[in-house]
Amino acid sequence: KNQVEQSPQSLIILEGKNCTLQCNYTVSPFSNLRWYKQDTGRGPVSLTIMTFSENTKSNGRYTATLDADTKQSSLHITASQLSDSASYICVVRSGGYNKLIFGAGTRLAVHP
Amino acid sequence: DTGVSQDPRHKITKRGQNVTFRCDPISEHNRLYWYRQTLGQGPEFLTYFQNEAQLEKSRLLSDRFSAERPKGSFSTLEIQRTEQGDSAMYLCASSDSLAENNEQFFGPGTRLTVL
Repeated sequence: KNQVEQSPQSLIILEGKNCTLQCNYTVSPFSNLRWYKQDTGRGPVSLTIMTFSENTKSNGRYTATLDADTKQSSLHITASQLSDSASYICVVRSGGYNKLIFGAGTRLAVHP
Repeated sequence: DTGVSQDPRHKITKRGQNVTFRCDPISEHNRLYWYRQTLGQGPEFLTYFQNEAQLEKSRLLSDRFSAERPKGSFSTLEIQRTEQGDSAMYLCASSDSLAENNEQFFGPGTRLTVL
């Protein structure tokens, strides 16, 4: 069964600190993996996309990694800001399908 | 272009009533998707269109749900005889099937509360 699991479910950090969110997937065939940021009451916005051959991709203070062998991805946020408070959702696209397989998300709260 | 828009943003209705949501995709995007998202969960796929053709429907889309995209542009999602379990955020997304990676761009969602 195609699944995407994320950990932790929720996380609280202080402003300025770094954090890492995890994503494990069992999706086959694999096409690409995205990390989305979803603010409360809004739709998800793509942060990064990674294909099978990519190991690391950065977007400002966000750095995503992908290990296609172990089927794991991480999203590292450096120097967190209050505006980083949101849900971060890992999404895997299975090759040849238009459906995306979503994780349940990690809810991040950045406190001053 | 202002991105994907959805209307209304919030809807409160009584159980048993019918509701209809509208989604306007990004111009010239030929694919349009509907998702449902409950609190603390990721979005769940409901259905998608390529132009005006509805190509796939999830088993989550019961016979009380119907979606249309009559002219291949905007889409509507109707829920008949609403139930409390229908309370959720309904997200619409659109994509260009010819674009690299076929990225889906999401709208802000319509939050439905069934009393």
